[in-house]
Amino acid sequence: EVQLVQSGAEVKKPGESLKISCKGSGYSFTSYWISWVRQMPGKGLEWMGRIDPSDSYTNYSPSFQGHVTISADKSISTAYLQWSSLKASDTAIYYCARDSSGLFYYWGQGNLVTVSS
Amino acid sequence: EIVLTQSPATLSLSPGERATLSCRASQSVSSYLAWYQQKPGQAPRLLIYDASNRATGIPARFSGSGSGTDFTLTISSLEPEDFAVYYCQQRGNWRWTFGQGTKVEIK
Repeated sequence: EVQLVQSGAEVKKPGESLKISCKGSGYSFTSYWISWVRQMPGKGLEWMGRIDPSDSYTNYSPSFQGHVTISADKSISTAYLQWSSLKASDTAIYYCARDSSGLFYYWGQGNLVTVSS
Repeated sequence: EIVLTQSPATLSLSPGERATLSCRASQSVSSYLAWYQQKPGQAPRLLIYDASNRATGIPARFSGSGSGTDFTLTISSLEPEDFAVYYCQQRGNWRWTFGQGTKVEIK
């Protein structure tokens, strides 16, 4: 069974750093890209970027380029999304999804990130 | 970046009625358009891919059509579990994008 299991909810202060994770299982982790999708409170879905776990090549949406970093450790079948300095506007649910040439059949359960002073 | 515009923003219908949702792309995405359903507190679920293909396990009352820039998701007869938010998403250009969503609510 394909599963993407994300790390738990986070509460952070503005200016803090954060790295959240997405662990894949039930399939060959290096055979599919992993995408990250943001959903701000009460809003729609926004594609942030993706990574090829086989070589860590990344693509970013222009809206998120330079604001977040996507990485992966294929040895433990895990992808990451990180911020160096969080803002209140980063408060959102972040989903990882297995990316089959832009189709998202499998999703993680979501990570709620709350940034508040 | 390709912009997807969904209409209407909200659709108020009764169970058993037909729902017709629209998605328009700012430039051609060929047939590389997908539809997702999202219920409160849940991750999205893939319904339709490549404009008209139902994903595994999706009931036949869901159908998709269109190509180029204009696409439609039709739910032939709404079941109680179909009241949710629906998003279109393109993969015609590698910078994937989503529409802003259409909420199908109970009238």
